[in-house]
Amino acid sequence: QVQLQQWGAGLLKPSETLSLTCAVYGGSFSGYYWSWIRQSPGKGLEWIGNIDHGGSTNYNPSLESRVTISVDTSKNQFSLKLNAVTAADTAVYYCADQTRGDAFDIWGQGTRVTVS
Amino acid sequence: AIQLTQSPLSLSASLGDRVTITCRASQDIRGGLGWYQQKPGKAPKLLIYDASSLQSGVSSRFRGSGFGTDFTLTISSLQPEDVASYYCQQFTDYPLTFGGGTNVEIK
Repeated sequence: QVQLQQWGAGLLKPSETLSLTCAVYGGSFSGYYWSWIRQSPGKGLEWIGNIDHGGSTNYNPSLESRVTISVDTSKNQFSLKLNAVTAADTAVYYCADQTRGDAFDIWGQGTRVTVS
Repeated sequence: AIQLTQSPLSLSASLGDRVTITCRASQDIRGGLGWYQQKPGKAPKLLIYDASSLQSGVSSRFRGSGFGTDFTLTISSLQPEDVASYYCQQFTDYPLTFGGGTNVEIK
């Protein structure tokens, strides 16, 4: 059974770079897309972007200028970098897998990131 | 970007009640919709994909329907473990987007 485990720094200062990594365990690293999604306190869910097995990316235009998603197939991992963070980037960040290429059927446990 | 509008924002129903949540898309997304359940402090859990397909391991109390712009999630008989927030999400077009959520409580 595929599981996602994520990690990264939870406390940042304004203008720093958010960096998170998500590892895929327990199955083939052959899903269609791997995504990053965030949820601000008390708010809904916002898709940040995704990457496929070949390294092709799609980003949310609202964040595209500051976001980089990369994949390391040798380690079964994918990563998120978000530059120049502000308090508005404070959120719980999730990695997620679209194993069928449609909905997000597998999620990481979430990482709470605070910018202060 | 495709906007998804959920209603109601919140609802309170009795145990055993039939509960319906709607999601309207700002443009035709065919069947490219998923429904998620999220409990406090937890990651969302996929319930329904492709608008009406039940995700493996999910209770058959949950049913999704709809196509195009109007979609519905129905809980056939509300149970205590169904208290949660529910979100719809479209995967037809980028950027992928979510509805604003519906909070479900027990009356």
